[in-house]
Order: sequence, then C-alpha cells, then structure tokens
Amino acid sequence: ETGVTQSPTHLIKTRGQQVTLRCSSQSGHNTVSWYQQALGQGPQFIFQYYREEENGRGNFPPRFSGLQFPNYSSELNVNALELDDSALYLCASSPATGNTEAFFGQGTRLTVV
Amino acid sequence: AQSVTQLDSQVPVFEEAPVELRCNYSSSVSVYLFWYVQYPNQGLQLLLKYLSGSTLVKGINGFEAEFNKSQTSFHLRKPSVHISDTAEYFCAVKLSDSNYQLIWGAGTKLIIKP
Repeated sequence: ETGVTQSPTHLIKTRGQQVTLRCSSQSGHNTVSWYQQALGQGPQFIFQYYREEENGRGNFPPRFSGLQFPNYSSELNVNALELDDSALYLCASSPATGNTEAFFGQGTRLTVV
Repeated sequence: AQSVTQLDSQVPVFEEAPVELRCNYSSSVSVYLFWYVQYPNQGLQLLLKYLSGSTLVKGINGFEAEFNKSQTSFHLRKPSVHISDTAEYFCAVKLSDSNYQLIWGAGTKLIIKP
C-alpha cells in the first residue's frame, strides 16, 4: 500500500506566475484535502475534493483552484502568485469524508520571489 | 467562531522527563479531536484521535491524551520523552456537523534537552 505522495518537493516561482502542485492519494482513498502551512503556523484548509467534485472550501480566493481525477489523484493550481503564497502545501487523503483520519503527504515547499 | 488554541509555542523538557502539551478549543457543536506530529521537513502524522467513548485516548510512540468536555481541552501527554520526540505537535478539531475541514492550532515545538 503506497502512501500519499506529492510533487515537486520544492519549487521557486516569480510573483505573478502560475503553479501546479500534484498529489497522489493513498490507495483506496476517494477524498483529498489541500492545506497551506505558512512558516511557524498551523495548516489552513484550502479545499477538499470527493469523487472529483469540490466538497468544501476554506477562506482562499478563486485564484486557488483544484482538480481531482478519476484515479483520485489531485492538483492544486495557484494563479497570479503573490509573495504571501510562499508556504508548505500539504495534501491529505482519506477513505471517505466525515470523521475518518487524514493521511498527509510530505508537502511541497513553494517559494515566491 | 470555532478555534483551536495551543497555549505554548515551545516546550523545552529534559530527556526522560514527562511532558504535557496543552490544547483548548472553542466550538458550538460537538467535535472530533486529533493530535498530529510533524518532524522537520516532513508532512503530518497522526498520533491519536478522539471520536467518542473513553475520554483517555492512547496513541503511537507512547503518547496519550485526555478529552475534557467541560474544560474544552485535549491535552497531550507522555510520561518519559526521548530525543526522537523532538518535533512540532499540532492539535486539530473537526466539527461534527462538517464533512471536511480540520481546524488547526498553531503548533507546539517540543524541544528535548539531553
């Protein structure tokens, strides 16, 4: 059973550019959540996808968007990057929505310069 | 509004000493409670969770936590820490009427002194 994997592990982008981060869910998991973790802070919920549909969204602007594919892998897209978007982006998969445990990937460290 | 407060940003403790990391939450509905650990440059790993039943929950690596509904707390404890416990610890809650998001505390860095 493979765990949650994210790519790339590190990324440097210029302000105004667009970025795509990728996440492969743990086998058998149909729910993916994305979180932003700024330095020295706890994670902040961006959104969740369940069976290819957005299932909930946190307080992030529309330039943060996502996709979930039929194999339940997922992408996070961020347009018009700002310096404050620099953070660790974490993907978590779960076997279902609700109170089940979330399994996290190692994260993608995004630096916007 | 719902929130999670971890009262200490850093907790230094000597190796083999006991430790308690504090977590309080605010919510108008019942919650599910979690503690996660984050080692340097890694993602988050679940230590333990409270969903229902016994208020004393045992987790991995010798950690345990006690849910106190009247004090809205979920403090994490370990009777004897090891150098390998050096990490950041996050408390999180999921609202019982929400299917998705976890609400997180700001984290507590556990610093083990030799």
